[in-house]
Amino acid sequence: DAKTTQPNSMESNEEEPVHLPCNHSTISGTDYIHWYRQLPSQGPEYVIHGLTSNVNNRMASLAIAEDRKSSTLILHRATLRDAAVYYCILRGNTNAGKSTFGDGTTLTVKP
Amino acid sequence: ETGVTQSPTHLIKTRGQQVTLRCSSQSGHNTVSWYQQALGQGPQFIFQYYREEENGRGNFPPRFSGLQFPNYSSELNVNALELDDSALYLCASSLALAFGEQFFGPGTRLTVL
Repeated sequence: DAKTTQPNSMESNEEEPVHLPCNHSTISGTDYIHWYRQLPSQGPEYVIHGLTSNVNNRMASLAIAEDRKSSTLILHRATLRDAAVYYCILRGNTNAGKSTFGDGTTLTVKP
Repeated sequence: ETGVTQSPTHLIKTRGQQVTLRCSSQSGHNTVSWYQQALGQGPQFIFQYYREEENGRGNFPPRFSGLQFPNYSSELNVNALELDDSALYLCASSLALAFGEQFFGPGTRLTVL
């Protein structure tokens, strides 16, 4: 399975933008890039996903490199409630339910 | 719209025992996946069920087995429990072969003594 690499931890100040990077150099042409986040004592929560083009939704934006070997999750204005572990995962079309999680990035938001 | 629910919330077992964990999928979803999450790590894929059949499995031994029922609820069964099986067990539902989001339940915390 294709793997993803993320920094272990990042810090941000409240109301500032946050850019969370992810490397996925072995991504295949049919893999979708998904981001989930997990708050303490909860199951993971979907954030956003994309294939080739940049994507925006109410929670975040996803910027995908032209060669698709990396991507960046952008939180436009971090809030204290955004403090969580963020996972970048790849989902292929042959086993779409299977999501290979790494250890994620722990985001700390300072007031 | 009802979300994904899991039961029980917490469970304590002893080594060698068997355990059954339950999951109720989100309405309209016919695919369920189960994950094991050890403390401080990301979720690890156990297996996926689609229309009552297993159609994908991670690196877990056969003593981890599952069932999916016609109403799309599901069970995870673990036999001959080992200490390393202590973890948070998550289920997630989704539309089959869809590339949208998976909806995760809150998990069952299993402790094996």
